[in-house]
Amino acid sequence: NAGVMQNPRHLVRRRGQEARLRCSPMKGHSHVYWYRQLPEEGLKFMVYLQKENIIDESGMPKERFSAEFPKEGPSILRIQQVVRGDSAAYFCASSPRREYNEQFFGPGTRLTVL
Amino acid sequence: GDSVTQMEGPVTLSEEAFLTINCTYTATGYPSLFWYVQYPGEGLQLLLKATKADDKGSNKGFEATYRKETTSFHLEKGSVQVSDSAVYFCALSDVGKTSYDKVIFGPGTSLSVIP
Repeated sequence: NAGVMQNPRHLVRRRGQEARLRCSPMKGHSHVYWYRQLPEEGLKFMVYLQKENIIDESGMPKERFSAEFPKEGPSILRIQQVVRGDSAAYFCASSPRREYNEQFFGPGTRLTVL
Repeated sequence: GDSVTQMEGPVTLSEEAFLTINCTYTATGYPSLFWYVQYPGEGLQLLLKATKADDKGSNKGFEATYRKETTSFHLEKGSVQVSDSAVYFCALSDVGKTSYDKVIFGPGTSLSVIP
């Protein structure tokens, strides 16, 4: 009965490289949410996806960031041409349906941009 | 828009002291309210929740009561332990506003309990 899984747990990139973060939701969950936690701050919503659909990306920066949740496989958060300000913890959460009232969080991916 | 405000930390308490972390919210609908806990180096875990006014959520000795009249959801514990040292996040989810569970988090309150 695995929970939400994220990998890698730690990711180091140099400025200008691409970062790819993966999230496997809990079994039976088809709704995925990505959040970003900057140092000393709370979590900020980035994007909400269902299988093959982006429902709400109002929290995503307009450039360099993209997310997908394909029919098969994990959800991917991609950050192109990373900058130092992208250094943060990125958390994924999942729920079994649209109005479930609770989200289950993964352990996060800590991205460090050198 | 909806928002959550928490008391600023860090909070440092001695073991067995009484804990209160204040949380107030702003929402136009009827949100569900949550407390999440984040232990060092880990993700968030749901600590407790309340879905309607006057509900009391409780878990592991922690309690919080949904007060609609004061728009508050303060977290309390009668006797803290060193193992309670963590960051605590108050959050709300207003399904009626967005038609899905968009969770809005407060900034977090760091708690350190010393022996």
